[in-house]
Order: sequence, then C-alpha cells, then structure tokens
Amino acid sequence: AQTVTQSQPEMSVQEAETVTLSCTYDTSESDYYLFWYKQPPSRQMILVIRQEAYKQQNATENRFSVNFQKAAKSFSLKISDSQLGDAAMYFCAYLSGHTGTASKLTFGTGTRLQVTL
Amino acid sequence: DSGVTQTPKHLITATGQRVTLRCSPRSGDLSVYWYQQSLDQGLQFLIQYYNGEERAKGNILERFSAQQFPDLHSELNLSSLELGDSALYFCASSKDSDKNIQYFGAGTRLSVL
Repeated sequence: AQTVTQSQPEMSVQEAETVTLSCTYDTSESDYYLFWYKQPPSRQMILVIRQEAYKQQNATENRFSVNFQKAAKSFSLKISDSQLGDAAMYFCAYLSGHTGTASKLTFGTGTRLQVTL
Repeated sequence: DSGVTQTPKHLITATGQRVTLRCSPRSGDLSVYWYQQSLDQGLQFLIQYYNGEERAKGNILERFSAQQFPDLHSELNLSSLELGDSALYFCASSKDSDKNIQYFGAGTRLSVL
C-alpha cells in the first residue's frame, strides 16, 4: 500500500517570503500522480498543483512550484511571495496511475502554514 | 467554487440515528468519491462510484453505504451512528474513472451527540 508522509506539522513564513513544505511517499508503482491540496479555514479542499510521475519537468502554477525527486520519492511544494491568503492546511496526496486500481487519493497528515506580517 | 455541491453543510444528530449526505458532481463528471476527515484518522477514502456502479471501496464501515443515481448525484447513508462518526465528509468528482483531477465539495460536517 502506498503511504504519504508530511513530517512538518506546522510551518510559518513571513509575508512576501518563500516557504517549502515537504512530502515523501512510498510506492512500488512506476505510474502515479502527486497532488498538493490546500484546506483554508473554510474547510474547502482546493487543488493547488498536480505532478505526473512520468514527467521529469517540475509542475508550476503561478507562485506555486514543486520539486519532484522521483528516485528519492520526494515531492515538496514551494510557495513564493507568500500572501496572507496562503495560510491554510496543506495536504500532499498520491494517486495510482495504474488502470484497474482504485482511483483513491492517499493523503498525508497535513502541514499547517501560518503567514505572518 | 469547485462545482461539486454537498448538502447539508452541517448535521447534528444523536447516537443510533441514521443520516443521509447528498452530493451533486460537476457537470459531466461520471465518478464520485466519498472521503472522511476526522481528527484521529485524517483524510480517508471511503468509496467510489462510476456512472452508477460501485468502483472501489476503502475504509468504509458496514454501517455506511452509498449509491449513485441515474442523474449521477450520490448519497452516503450513515446508520447506527456512534460518537466516533463525527467528522467532515467530503464528496469529490472527476471526469471518468481514469486518473483525472478530483474536485472536492465543501463537505458536510457531521456531529453525533
């Protein structure tokens, strides 16, 4: 079974600074997808970014980018120019790419990000 | 707004009771997923439906059941409720049973007293 580990329960960053959230995963599969979801105080789960394992290029979405290290099974999220609205719980998630397997997301335990002035 | 609608937003009930949570997926999405978020268990996959049929089961209790109707909306039924069932229940949808992005609804917060 796949597992996702987020070793930082809480992180803090100053507004306009950069912060990196860590995520490692364990799998024996070669085809999979990785995601970062954001959960603000409203509790809504919002997709931040997606990475396909077969792509070597790291995904980017505006101020959000990932550092995907497939051999190390590491998938970190970098938030640049942090804004107050980035304060939230961030979840790393794994999705198997194998046809016929359950399309279930396996989530990490989350990292709570605080943004200070 | 993700386009996934969940009702009700909040539900307060007593132990032993039965409740139904409803989910309307995004227009055109055939797959519906249910997840439970609790303090002790984190976010866990419960069950997936694809075009009306059960596709995959996760850590779903026997007291819980779900179905997806011809109009693709889904219901999660929770019965014989226990205090430990108090949690946030999310529905998500995606275009088909392949590995597309899952869009989440706002969740239903269930409190069992």
